Amino acid sequence: GIQVEQSPPDLILQEGANSTLRCNFSDSVNNLQWFHQNPWGQLINLFYIPSGTKQNGRLSATTVATERYSLLYISSSQTTDSGVYFCAVEGLTGGGNKLTFGTGTQLKVEL
Amino acid sequence: DTGVSQNPRHKITKRGQNVTFRCDPISEHNRLYWYRQTLGQGPEFLTYFQNEAQLEKSRLLSDRFSAERPKGSFSTLEIQRTEQGDSAMYLCASSMDSSNTEAFFGQGTRLTVV
Repeated sequence: GIQVEQSPPDLILQEGANSTLRCNFSDSVNNLQWFHQNPWGQLINLFYIPSGTKQNGRLSATTVATERYSLLYISSSQTTDSGVYFCAVEGLTGGGNKLTFGTGTQLKVEL
Repeated sequence: DTGVSQNPRHKITKRGQNVTFRCDPISEHNRLYWYRQTLGQGPEFLTYFQNEAQLEKSRLLSDRFSAERPKGSFSTLEIQRTEQGDSAMYLCASSMDSSNTEAFFGQGTRLTVV
């Protein structure tokens, strides 16, 4: 099945700093989503972005489908950004109809 | 739109007991998914329904696990003869059956088997 790798696994930032999270995937995708998992375990949708670039406030994401990677940018980070960020993909062939998740990036934003 | 709803939020059970979880998807979504997440890992796919039909099951879904989606609305996931290794967060998601298959997740049911 499709493989998803996220980097870095852990990240510590000072409040106000910017960061880039990366997601590499091993095959063509029909769907790519970025999630933020809050301390209570709920997955919050950040972006549905199988290709192209989107922005939502301090967050933006870019997926280059032909090169099989996606980037999540967090600008002017705040303590409330802390948590685990997951990239998940739905493969175009032989693995469709479900999301395969990476192992996540654990982000901690300090004052 | 109230989002995906899961009940209960937490369940503590003794080893060997049966447990059942419920998921109510977003009303217009005809795809429903179950995932399991253990500590420090990303969610892993368990099974997928399109309307009432269960179309795919993961090898993770042992014969002690069964899922149903009668009438294509809510779904239940039952675990029989629970084991300590079943302790995990069980997540439900739903999506449209269209070119946009963005999935939305519920708050999860955290199962602890003692």
